[in-house]
Amino acid sequence: NAGVTQTPKFQVLKTGQSMTLQCAQDMNHNSMYWYRQDPGMGLRLIYYSASEGTTDKGEVPNGYNVSRLNKREFSLRLESAAPSQTSVYFCASRPLTVPRNTEAFFGQGTRLTVV
Amino acid sequence: DQQVKQNSPSLSVQEGRISILNCDYTNSMFDYFLWYKKYPAEGPTFLISISSIKDKNEDGRFTVFLNKSAKHLSLHIVPSQPGDSAVYFCAARTQGGSEKLVFGKGTKLTVNP
Repeated sequence: NAGVTQTPKFQVLKTGQSMTLQCAQDMNHNSMYWYRQDPGMGLRLIYYSASEGTTDKGEVPNGYNVSRLNKREFSLRLESAAPSQTSVYFCASRPLTVPRNTEAFFGQGTRLTVV
Repeated sequence: DQQVKQNSPSLSVQEGRISILNCDYTNSMFDYFLWYKKYPAEGPTFLISISSIKDKNEDGRFTVFLNKSAKHLSLHIVPSQPGDSAVYFCAARTQGGSEKLVFGKGTKLTVNP
């Protein structure tokens, strides 16, 4: 049971380059999330998708775009990377239950460095 | 404006003693709270949660207390073990069907042998 899989695990980009971070979950979860973790800042929500076909901005969406490709996959795209986007990115997913009190499951993270 | 606050960046305790990690929130619409544990180079893993209709939830060595009037929750670990050394994040979800999960900045717990 793979859970939440993120690719790549590490990436170095030059300023201005673009890339897509991939995330896939095999737990049939409805909701998916992208967070970034920076020292002293905790986990900040970039975008989330409550269900297939919907996406919403989180706390820090600027400079990012997302695509909920299908129920399994939720990708995060940096169109023009900036050094301020150097961070560890985490994807998470969460099932839809009644009541809706369930935890989110996280991937292992993607460590991105923009030089 | 940070809605979930963990004001202690770090905490150090002796093995066998109690660890108390605190979390405050500002949004009265939060109705479900979670604690996550994170080791270096790994993703966060779920630890324990509590619904706003309860004031305590216990799971083995871990107990979460919720004080809604004070908008405060705490995680108690008894007894603390060196393997508990990690960063602990408090998170909250808004009622009304929102799927947003908001996290605090985390508290780094060190349990000394």
